[in-house]
Amino acid sequence: DADVTQTPRNRITKTGKRIMLECSQTKGHDRMYWYRQDPGLGLRLIYYSFDVKDINKGEISDGYSVSRQAQAKFSLSLESAIPNQTALYFCATSDDYEDGYTFGSGTRLTVV
Amino acid sequence: GDSVTQMEGPVTLSEEAFLTINCTYTATGYPSLFWYVQYPGEGLQLLLKATKADDKGSNKGFEATYRKETTSFHLEKGSVQVSDSAVYFCALSTLTGTASKLTFGTGTRLQVTL
Repeated sequence: DADVTQTPRNRITKTGKRIMLECSQTKGHDRMYWYRQDPGLGLRLIYYSFDVKDINKGEISDGYSVSRQAQAKFSLSLESAIPNQTALYFCATSDDYEDGYTFGSGTRLTVV
Repeated sequence: GDSVTQMEGPVTLSEEAFLTINCTYTATGYPSLFWYVQYPGEGLQLLLKATKADDKGSNKGFEATYRKETTSFHLEKGSVQVSDSAVYFCALSTLTGTASKLTFGTGTRLQVTL
């Protein structure tokens, strides 16, 4: 099994719908992150969490919310999806800032 | 704020050619530096890292040296293979109190042909 598992892998949804992307990890890391990737823009941080009780906004949190259900689970929600939220979304975990991150395989989300 | 600048791609090379992908950074504090690789349809994988000045990270024939004086972390490989075709991201991580997060460059696509 993968260290960081994201579901679903692909999703097409309609404008205005609520959608949840899920992430679970077996690394035992406290720190978890959600990024979105857009062509030519690299990866941008949406939200991050350093433990179950700690949630922080990243640089592009508007239109998104998160839930840290357990150390191993970190979900990202789009409350009312819009087309410019079409992107590739990655979850990542880390143990220490010097160690780098372990990424999931990504969720490709299309909002029509 | 923190930022990472990478050379724009795509970079197209013939197999066995020498590779350099430039990366410079701006950061407050003393960052750790990373190169990640993303193969088609996959997530990012850590390729190499360096945590202090003059450190050289290396993996799978790739190398990068942390140059504090020029704020650079250029990725090099002496002889690329078709299997190296991927997108490469330079990134930095700084620690502020107990908070740390990665800041990425925009990525450089490498295409290696026979």
